[in-house]
Amino acid sequence: NAGVTQTPKFQVLKTGQSMTLQCAQDMNHEYMSWYRQDPGMGLRLIHYSVGAGITDQGEVPNGYNVSRSTTEDFPLRLLSAAPSQTSVYFCASSRTTGEQYFGPGTRLTVT
Amino acid sequence: KQEVTQIPAALSVPEGENLVLNCSFTDSAIYNLQWFRQDPGKGLTSLLLIQSSQREQTSGRLNASLDKSSGRSTLYIAASQPGDSATYLCAASTDSWGKLQFGAGTQVVVTP
Repeated sequence: NAGVTQTPKFQVLKTGQSMTLQCAQDMNHEYMSWYRQDPGMGLRLIHYSVGAGITDQGEVPNGYNVSRSTTEDFPLRLLSAAPSQTSVYFCASSRTTGEQYFGPGTRLTVT
Repeated sequence: KQEVTQIPAALSVPEGENLVLNCSFTDSAIYNLQWFRQDPGKGLTSLLLIQSSQREQTSGRLNASLDKSSGRSTLYIAASQPGDSATYLCAASTDSWGKLQFGAGTQVVVTP
């Protein structure tokens, strides 16, 4: 099993550009989520999904969109990148009340 | 809103000493609590998961306890090694689907 994979590892965007961060898992987990990690702020939940076709907002959803068309994939879209979205983004997956597995992260810089 | 606190923010111990890392949470209605390790520039590695009905979990040199009534969890690492140097994060699950509320972490340095 590859576990949770994320692409790209690094990305630099200009303000106003859009992009999609990819996340995939091969463990048939129902639950998937996106977090961002910022110095001094810890990890904060952006969006999450409890199954294909079902998504909901977390603590810091503004400026991000998600969709979940399959169990395996949960992409995160930045609609119009802002410098405040410079962060490290982590995707995670789990079964209900189960252990959460995190991907290696995507380091995003918005200039 | 659930708040999770980890004290101290940083800790330095000589090799061989036992490590005690503290995590406190404000709402005792958690589904589970998970401890993670994060190395610089890397992702999160799960160490231990304690379900709300459990009091402790053990894996090798690691032992984690959970006391919901006092809102505390403690991670013990026995006989620390330089390879244990990392940031340790605790996270409380606030619903059955596992939305996690993270602490800010404790940065640990084990000196040879």
